[in-house]
Amino acid sequence: GAGVSQTPSNKVTEKGKYVELRCDPISGHTALYWYRQSLGQGPEFLIYFQGTGAADDSGLPNDRFFAVRPEGSVSTLKIQRTERGDSAVYLCASSPGPADTQYFGPGTRLTVL
Amino acid sequence: RKEVEQDPGPFNVPEGATVAFNCTYSNSASQSFFWYRQDCRKEPKLLMSVYSSGNEDGRFTAQLNRASQYISLLIRDSKLSDSATYLCVVTQGGGADGLTFGKGTHLIIQP
Repeated sequence: GAGVSQTPSNKVTEKGKYVELRCDPISGHTALYWYRQSLGQGPEFLIYFQGTGAADDSGLPNDRFFAVRPEGSVSTLKIQRTERGDSAVYLCASSPGPADTQYFGPGTRLTVL
Repeated sequence: RKEVEQDPGPFNVPEGATVAFNCTYSNSASQSFFWYRQDCRKEPKLLMSVYSSGNEDGRFTAQLNRASQYISLLIRDSKLSDSATYLCVVTQGGGADGLTFGKGTHLIIQP
C-alpha cells in the first residue's frame, strides 16, 4: 500500500513568513509523529499525535511551532515568523498504534532565506 | 550530555569485511532500542530492533547491554549497498513516545 507522503517536498521561504507542511500517514495508522532533521544530525522529535489529540508536544522548540490533526488522519505542521535556524528537513512518521514501528515519509526540505 | 552518542565516522571498509559500531545512551529508563538506516537525502528506515538477548537478521547482528547502556551493530560480509548512515535509536517510555536518535554513523563500503 501507499506509504507516508509529505508535501511539499521542498519549500523555500523568506525570514518572517508563515509556512505549512502537510503529512498524509499510512491509512489506518492512529499514531503520527513529526521530527526535524538538521544537516549532520539525527532526527529530533517534535510532536506526537494519537488520533486527533497531541499526546506529547514536548519537542516543539517554541510557540512559533504548532501542529494539528483535526480528523485523526492528515496532519499539518505550522511555523510562524520563520527564522533561518528553522531550515531543516521536517519528517513525518506514522505507526499502526502506540509503540508500534514508525514508518517515515520522505520529508519536506524547508529553507528559510 | 547528549542522550544517544555515536561515533559519526566515516567508517571506510572494504567490501566483504566485517564492521561493528556501537552507541551509548544516557537514560537508564530507556525501554526500546533500534537501529535505523538512512541513505543520503532519504528518510530513515527501520533496520532492526535490538534486544538484550541479541538478535540476528541475515548479515546483521544487534546487541543490547543494559548494564553498560550501549547498543552494538555488527555487519558481516559487507556489501557496497550497505553504504549508508546508521542511526542508533531509543525510546524513553514503555508506551508510545517519540524516538530519540543519535547523530548517526556514516559507513562507506569500498570496492
